Amino acid sequence: EAGVAQSPRYKIIEKRQSVAFWCNPISGHATLYWYQQILGQGPKLLIQFQNNGVVDDSQLPKDRFSAERLKGVDSTLKIQPAKLEDSAVYLCASSEGTQGRNQETQYFGPGTRLLVL
Amino acid sequence: SQELEQSPQSLIVQEGKNLTINCTSSKTLYGLYWYKQKYGEGLIFLMMLQKGGEEKSHEKITAKLDEKKQQSSLHITASQPSHAGIYLCGADASYNTDKLIFGTGTRLQVFP
Repeated sequence: EAGVAQSPRYKIIEKRQSVAFWCNPISGHATLYWYQQILGQGPKLLIQFQNNGVVDDSQLPKDRFSAERLKGVDSTLKIQPAKLEDSAVYLCASSEGTQGRNQETQYFGPGTRLLVL
Repeated sequence: SQELEQSPQSLIVQEGKNLTINCTSSKTLYGLYWYKQKYGEGLIFLMMLQKGGEEKSHEKITAKLDEKKQQSSLHITASQPSHAGIYLCGADASYNTDKLIFGTGTRLQVFP
């Protein structure tokens, strides 16, 4: 079974530029998550989708970050414009997402390492 | 809000030694997950614990959730260089959610 795919693996941009990350979850997984992991810290949830709807985006800096999952499968996370403090690893995860059930295992992709200069 | 504290932050052991990593929560744990992360890579799922007193093992790694469900430990027996990496504990933010919060991680180095 294929895992969570992410691209690109690495990205270097200058501040105020835009960048986009792509994620394809495990086939059949309804729930998709984007996390931000700053060096030396644990991952922090940015946004959670259930199919193509947003479940939780309370920690997403909406003035510069946006995400979509139009067809309920793959997803794109965008930063516009980027700041120095956005340098981090952006991780995508997915889970089966059975409605009404918690304690589901999340499976993570390899991440995209972003460096903002 | 719930917080997870891991200890130690860093660990250097000689190959063959046993070691333990702890994860302490500020609130009751409903689901506790252990992941391993190699530098610059994604998280690899190791184990999930749900019930107080539960213990699970995979190869040489054993994880336990204490009876009061506010602390978990990860124990590695006879460590090997392949065990090196960052170990992260994650927990369900509340009972009716699959939102995870994570600890800051424990960096493990194993030298021959």
